[in-house]
Amino acid sequence: ETGVTQTPRHLVMGMTNKKSLKCEQHLGHNAMYWYKQSAKKPLELMFVYNFKEQTENNSVPSRFSPECPNSSHLFLHLHTLQPEDSALYLCDSSQVAGGPTGELFFGEGSRLTVL
Amino acid sequence: DQQVKQNSPSLSVQEGRISILNCDYTNSMFDYFLWYKKYPAEGPTFLISISSIKDKNEDGRFTVFLNKSAKHLSLHIVPSQPGDSAVYFCAAMDNYGQNFVFGPGTRLSVLP
Repeated sequence: ETGVTQTPRHLVMGMTNKKSLKCEQHLGHNAMYWYKQSAKKPLELMFVYNFKEQTENNSVPSRFSPECPNSSHLFLHLHTLQPEDSALYLCDSSQVAGGPTGELFFGEGSRLTVL
Repeated sequence: DQQVKQNSPSLSVQEGRISILNCDYTNSMFDYFLWYKKYPAEGPTFLISISSIKDKNEDGRFTVFLNKSAKHLSLHIVPSQPGDSAVYFCAAMDNYGQNFVFGPGTRLSVLP
């Protein structure tokens, strides 16, 4: 049990589809992150939300649209994706002020395949 | 069952000396390994990686060694600096990127 839940675990979509990935944590954390993990590449940070505000967008194409309605939920909306966007998308959360530091609370990831 | 293990939760090293962080894995399908560094309240930062076709990869002060037969890898930091104090995570991936697993991390403290 990681404390961070991602759904769906697997998603196959066409290039014209619109879908969303969901991340949920009930650890009381105030920061949430989206990462892209492609085969044989380092983890790429995509977005950072701090107290529901986006604090970092790592030059991510606009076909990826994050949404953070509250500190416990983070979405990644997907539209008109490309086959090279196929990857494992990981969500992470961390405590911003006080509490345990340096720990990783990754979800198990959502495996996305774009046809 | 932990597929990637870092058995030392913490390590303290004097500035200027060598830091050695260890990682063991159980899944023989893993063939690509990565080390990340994480500061509090930040995402992990990629440090160095190694493919299973190599047994050593070096980048500046960081060197990763891989012993496939023992399913063991280590990260050496020489010389250690106070700014290296952070949590270090080992990660492993299989050939198709289908399985990507982080270890639990080792907290490194470099003392001035």
